[in-house]
Amino acid sequence: EIVLTQSPGTLSLSPGERATLSCRASQSVSSNYLAWYQQKPGQAPRLLIYGASSRATGIPDRFSGSGSGTDFTLSISGLEPEDFAVYHCQQYTTSPRTFGQGTKLEIK
Amino acid sequence: QVQLQESGPGLVKPSETLSLTCTVSGGSISGYFWTWIRQPPGKGLDWIGFIHFTGSTDYNPSLRSRVTMSVDTSKNQFSLKMSSVTAADTAVYYCARLGFCSGGACLADYWGQGTLVTVSS
Repeated sequence: EIVLTQSPGTLSLSPGERATLSCRASQSVSSNYLAWYQQKPGQAPRLLIYGASSRATGIPDRFSGSGSGTDFTLSISGLEPEDFAVYHCQQYTTSPRTFGQGTKLEIK
Repeated sequence: QVQLQESGPGLVKPSETLSLTCTVSGGSISGYFWTWIRQPPGKGLDWIGFIHFTGSTDYNPSLRSRVTMSVDTSKNQFSLKMSSVTAADTAVYYCARLGFCSGGACLADYWGQGTLVTVSS
């Protein structure tokens, strides 16, 4: 099983700043099958990034994903008020399709 | 617009079986994989498994001995049963469609709103 570790657990930033979230895998994620989801309170997760760096339909270009192998990053430039949420990474290269524990992005 | 709705008891006693159904509207269940994901209160997401509309399944090994998924194409529904539940199975349970496919692998594009299942006597 691939274990995903997200850091930091909580990130406190102000609107307009840049957020950098990390997702580290216990073994290589082949084909860069790494996705990022955004989840707001009381809502289901929403797909942001797939294939480590491709934005899903309708996702603003301030969201970007990068990385390969075992180290992946989600960056959000120019934080908007609606971006403050919990972010989850998921690998979908092998079963079980594991998630990280999440990073909470909160307003400073 | 595809919509998914989970239904089932919100309270289950320890050692009993949790049963949930996901009803799909606005689209056909045929042609897709469908998944169950849960989230314990205040914690991260936990992948339970998925089922193809033909009935083939893939379960999380940590839950495999207790989980059964099934699909009813005539009702446009798929279901989850989890036996011998404990308090650790208390979570919000989401059903979702694995409809966003790229490079041969699929991700969840449509989700239900989630349903809280509490395991308690």
